[in-house]
Amino acid sequence: QSVLTQPPSASATPGQRVTLSCSGSSSNIGSNTVNWYQQLPGTAPKLLIYSDTQRPSGVPDRFSGSKSGTSASLAISGLQSGDEADYYCAAWDDSLNGVVFGGGTKLTVL
Amino acid sequence: EVQLLESGGGLVQPGGSLRLSCAASGFTFSGYAMYWVRQAPGRGLQWVSFIAGSSGRTYYADSVKGRFTTSRDNSKNTLYLQMNSLRAEDTALYYCAKGTGRSDAGFDYWGQGILVTVSS
Repeated sequence: QSVLTQPPSASATPGQRVTLSCSGSSSNIGSNTVNWYQQLPGTAPKLLIYSDTQRPSGVPDRFSGSKSGTSASLAISGLQSGDEADYYCAAWDDSLNGVVFGGGTKLTVL
Repeated sequence: EVQLLESGGGLVQPGGSLRLSCAASGFTFSGYAMYWVRQAPGRGLQWVSFIAGSSGRTYYADSVKGRFTTSRDNSKNTLYLQMNSLRAEDTALYYCAKGTGRSDAGFDYWGQGILVTVSS
């Protein structure tokens, strides 16, 4: 059971916009920033969004992050087949003194 | 170019020990926190440990506290994970990851991962 809650799966067609959710609590998302990772099949995770809304260099602006209270979201617009991957949210947890992850959302591009 | 290369994985019996290493290059190693993250087969990501850049302050996930020890040798640009009293549930791909250097507890570079299998 993950500390952060993500839906296990999502799907959309190419070109569409999809939003992935991540729910936490006051000790993690509510008091610390959220990071998002993309894990393509058979590869190591990659930082996609940091500090709630920031994109590392090289990440397309089709990817955007937002946060409100104890929940965060990752939006992907102009969906492409190459976006098919597992997406994880993560944040520091002040009560656990560690990083907590969501269980991940497997995104399927139909 | 930042590179992280894990080594030391393999098959170990329950109750045994293993030490993982992560050789870092392409950045000022001592200036960044480092992390270990693991992924059991077919499962999600799980944070294992944190070690600060210069102070050596450490934090651990409850599931490994008292059994695993993370350390670093800044003169060798190497991160370590000493794993004792291994259990079947420790079987996973272990990644070392570099902290972003900001206060966001994010990981901006990851190694390719090293497999640890605990089985008799």
